[in-house]
Amino acid sequence: QQKVQQSPESLSVPEGGMASLNCTSSDRNFQYFWWYRQHSGEGPKALMSIFSDGDKKEGRFTAHLNKASLHVSLHIRDSQPSDSALYFCAASEHGTGYQNFYFGKGTSLTVIP
Amino acid sequence: DMKVTQMPRYLIKRMGENVLLECGQDMSHETMYWYRQDPGLGLQLIYISYDVDSNSEGDIPKGYRVSRKKREHFSLILDSAKTNQTSVYFCASSLRGTGHEQYFGPGTRLTVL
Repeated sequence: QQKVQQSPESLSVPEGGMASLNCTSSDRNFQYFWWYRQHSGEGPKALMSIFSDGDKKEGRFTAHLNKASLHVSLHIRDSQPSDSALYFCAASEHGTGYQNFYFGKGTSLTVIP
Repeated sequence: DMKVTQMPRYLIKRMGENVLLECGQDMSHETMYWYRQDPGLGLQLIYISYDVDSNSEGDIPKGYRVSRKKREHFSLILDSAKTNQTSVYFCASSLRGTGHEQYFGPGTRLTVL
């Protein structure tokens, strides 16, 4: 069973619009969450991390974490064509000493000029 | 410069041939990973290495083996490649312990005919 689930699978937004991506996990041991972004032909790259409940803002990107509901979201305001990419949510556990990452299947974002 | 490198970037092999994919990192990260990425399936963990000669199976290890003789280098070996191993393979690394992001390489696109 997939421990990290993402929705939607794909999303199209107009340039300048808001994109909202969602992620839920099924394991209460997960304490650390990341959003990774992968442009076509490249490897994934960490976009943002969020470890505490609430919002974390970095430029046009805002991540929100609710540990009680195991829900993470990513909101991209003023979306640009360069934001078109595959976005992965990833989670890892607390206190194991070693770090295993659990990835969702990804959301494909297309920003339409 | 923090970097994960992968060689080769593209590889075409015939079924039954042996395949060697190589990965290097210059960050002295203890933990290294091999994933494969197929459309719609996200990133699937093949093997994880916690340090030199300390390797552990991931979610889909069958048909693969790994070697890590130096901290900065991690190899993925396919003995007698199969057509269903056609995929894009990514190597990643991270610091030991929790709360550290993964750094990914650019990927190797493997085609098994």
